[in-house]
Amino acid sequence: GAGVSQTPSNKVTEKGKYVELRCDPISGHTALYWYRQSLGQGPEFLIYFQGTGAADDSGLPNDRFFAVRPEGSVSTLKIQRTERGDSAVYLCASSPSGGLGEQYFGPGTRLTVT
Amino acid sequence: QKEVEQNSGPLSVPEGAIASLNCTYSDRGSQSFFWYRQYSGKSPELIMFIYSNGDKEDGRFTAQLNKASQYVSLLIRDSQPSDSATYLCAVTPGGTSYGKLTFGQGTILTVHP
Repeated sequence: GAGVSQTPSNKVTEKGKYVELRCDPISGHTALYWYRQSLGQGPEFLIYFQGTGAADDSGLPNDRFFAVRPEGSVSTLKIQRTERGDSAVYLCASSPSGGLGEQYFGPGTRLTVT
Repeated sequence: QKEVEQNSGPLSVPEGAIASLNCTYSDRGSQSFFWYRQYSGKSPELIMFIYSNGDKEDGRFTAQLNKASQYVSLLIRDSQPSDSATYLCAVTPGGTSYGKLTFGQGTILTVHP
């Protein structure tokens, strides 16, 4: 079946601009996670959704970052007033349930802030 | 001390050999442990997960968990050049009931013909 999809695959934006990154999880997966990966590092947790609600947003670096999942499926990560330090690969993962089970990653969105 | 530590490598093994990848973690309450493979420019791909002490085998891969020593490893038997990638260890923190993964920085594995 179809895996996790993310769009766009690449995004180049100017410092100070607003960007939206989209994640479409595996059909039927109720849990959705966003991570951020910098070069040479492992992914870092940003936010976790169970259904429509953000159950844990403790990894969001500051209030410029926000994410939604209004219908419990597709999620959008929103970054306001982008900074060069926001440049990274943003990864989305979904899991069949909200427990401690396996997560499946999408291809990621490479964000470059110039 | 990092929460999840891996030797960054690179680890180089000849084709057909056993590759051994190691990971230690600091949170004694961690409950779930995962190994992901990541090819250059690609996203992490789940290889193995393990929840209980002992060994878990899947094809050429074996995950080993020792909670007392806070240690998890991945063995790759009959290594192939296509196994060359970065291997990421990930754990869930104690006290949570969901998969808020903490990753190590990854070990680069090179399998040479």
